[in-house]
Amino acid sequence: SQELEQSPQSLIVQEGKNLTINCTSSKTLYGLYWYKQKYGEGLIFLMMLQKGGEEKSHEKITAKLDEKKQQSSLHITASQPSHAGIYLCGAARRAGGTSYGKLTFGQGTILTVHP
Amino acid sequence: KAGVTQTPRYLIKTRGQQVTLSCSPISGHRSVSWYQQTPGQGLQFLFEYFSETQRNKGNFPGRFSGRQFSNSRSEMNVSTLELGDSALYLCASSTGQETNYGYTFGSGTRLTVV
Repeated sequence: SQELEQSPQSLIVQEGKNLTINCTSSKTLYGLYWYKQKYGEGLIFLMMLQKGGEEKSHEKITAKLDEKKQQSSLHITASQPSHAGIYLCGAARRAGGTSYGKLTFGQGTILTVHP
Repeated sequence: KAGVTQTPRYLIKTRGQQVTLSCSPISGHRSVSWYQQTPGQGLQFLFEYFSETQRNKGNFPGRFSGRQFSNSRSEMNVSTLELGDSALYLCASSTGQETNYGYTFGSGTRLTVV
């Protein structure tokens, strides 16, 4: 099984609708990253969460970290076509040793927003 | 400040050849990590370099190697290319400090092996 499971795998919404993407880890989280990717391009950093209960927002995107549940959620309010893309969560493990420079990623959630 | 620069953006190589990809991190960042992204396996960690030393390595064969220069620029080399090496190769730049500070990714190099 995957270390990081994202759900749903794909999502199609109408413009203006709210949506949530979940990321669940099978191991302890020491940092959780959210990235957005346009097909074939690099990853665009959205947010990083490090503390249980932490919540961050940027424009219409909010991310939360539930440390006990080893889960993070990404919520988009009033979606727009510009939000379309692949959303990836990446987990950082305890710093040092085999964790240096390494993020473990979920399989991604493909978001389509219809005008 | 300038972002992470990866060159070239696209490459087409023949099986058996070797290839070198380049990554210039954000100024002041001393850590460069490399990832391979394929439709089947997703994003997989290759290795990480910090101050010219490899600190961490993923589960890839020895055909995949890398190095880092004193100016923190990093190169990744793949020898004896196989069709399965076709992928988007991404590098990420960070300060490399103990506490997670953030990883900034480049636009990637799309490698096609024919």
